[in-house]
Amino acid sequence: AQSVTQLGSHVSVSEGALVLLRCNYSSSVPPYLFWYVQYPNQGLQLLLKYTTGATLVKGINGFEAEFKKSETSFHLTKPSAHMSDAAEYFCARLGAGGTSYGKLTFGQGTILTVHP
Amino acid sequence: EAGVAQSPRYKIIEKRQSVAFWCNPISGHATLYWYQQILGQGPKLLIQFQNNGVVDDSQLPKDRFSAERLKGVDSTLKIQPAKLEDSAVYLCASKPRWDRGGDEQFFGPGTRLTVL
Repeated sequence: AQSVTQLGSHVSVSEGALVLLRCNYSSSVPPYLFWYVQYPNQGLQLLLKYTTGATLVKGINGFEAEFKKSETSFHLTKPSAHMSDAAEYFCARLGAGGTSYGKLTFGQGTILTVHP
Repeated sequence: EAGVAQSPRYKIIEKRQSVAFWCNPISGHATLYWYQQILGQGPKLLIQFQNNGVVDDSQLPKDRFSAERLKGVDSTLKIQPAKLEDSAVYLCASKPRWDRGGDEQFFGPGTRLTVL
């Protein structure tokens, strides 16, 4: 089954520190990959996406992610954390074939805490 | 451009009662999704509509859940009767046509259901 795994349900960083949220996927074909952010009591907002082309993808709020096919990874990074980055982050993949075609499959989420 | 609208935002019911959620997608978006997000997990697709037709309802517990999108615009998700394990956030999302950037889903704020 095609899946998405986020390593670490909770990540805590200091303000100004590097943010690294890990995501690995399983797929027999190069997938479309997404990172969404969810603030408390709100829906999901797209941070960035990888479809084709450049493997380093830049998104909103200073986030970026790199698609590494050899590692089946799509980790999310931000050089310097801000207090407003505290939220839950979801990695997702878009199904490319079979019964999962066109469906988004989400990881279990990573809660990011930023402390002063 | 207005976003995806959902109502109510919060609902508390007792088990075995019925409940209905409403979603109005972004204007012109043909595809509409309902997701269930249980606390601590990523969203799980319940049903996908293309215009007023069901594309995928394989994960919808059809003995108690139903959904419709009669005119291909807004949609209603119903649970009857509710169980304790239905406590979750119900997210609605919509997506434009493929040739109009249709690989991104836009999410509403969700309805938080608590079943007592």
